[in-house]
Amino acid sequence: KAGVTQTPRYLIKTRGQQVTLSCSPISGHRSVSWYQQTPGQGLQFLFEYFSETQRNKGNFPGRFSGRQFSNSRSEMNVSTLELGDSALYLCASSLEGGRFEKLFFGSGTQLSVL
Amino acid sequence: DQQVKQNSPSLSVQEGRISILNCDYTNSMFDYFLWYKKYPAEGPTFLISISSIKDKNEDGRFTVFLNKSAKHLSLHIVPSQPGDSAVYFCAARGSGAAGNKLTFGGGTRVLVKP
Repeated sequence: KAGVTQTPRYLIKTRGQQVTLSCSPISGHRSVSWYQQTPGQGLQFLFEYFSETQRNKGNFPGRFSGRQFSNSRSEMNVSTLELGDSALYLCASSLEGGRFEKLFFGSGTQLSVL
Repeated sequence: DQQVKQNSPSLSVQEGRISILNCDYTNSMFDYFLWYKKYPAEGPTFLISISSIKDKNEDGRFTVFLNKSAKHLSLHIVPSQPGDSAVYFCAARGSGAAGNKLTFGGGTRVLVKP
């Protein structure tokens, strides 16, 4: 079974631009979550999608948004990029997002904002 | 406010000896805890988990202990191997929320010396 796939692997943008990251969950997984990892803040929850609906949201500004498609693939978008958005963005999937399910993570998209 | 803390940013241990990683939490609503291992440029990989109804869970070389009254959990790796050198994150999930929202600690970098 293929794991969680994230594209692109690396991305360089400039301030003010916008970016879209893509995530394909493990086949059969319907819950997709996004996390941001930075050296100073560690791993922080962005949002979770299940059945094309946002089910949970972390404490990030509205510039961060996402969506999920009917095939469970998910995208996240960051508009008006700031230098502080430079981070590793990780996508994780699980079957249904049940309380005792473990999350499977992709390798991440490394975003650098110049 | 960091709800999950890993107070030791790094740990160095000799091959064959025990590695003990600690994690403290403040939110009494957390009822499921997970440990993840992360190599550079890769996503976190699930290691072991424990629910709040247990105080110990074991899987091969990995054992997690939970002390609810102290709001403390620890991961023991015995015996430690050079391939265990990585960053380890503890994570917690709350009982009140549906879905996959994990709160992560800041991580502990483990170096196993041959």
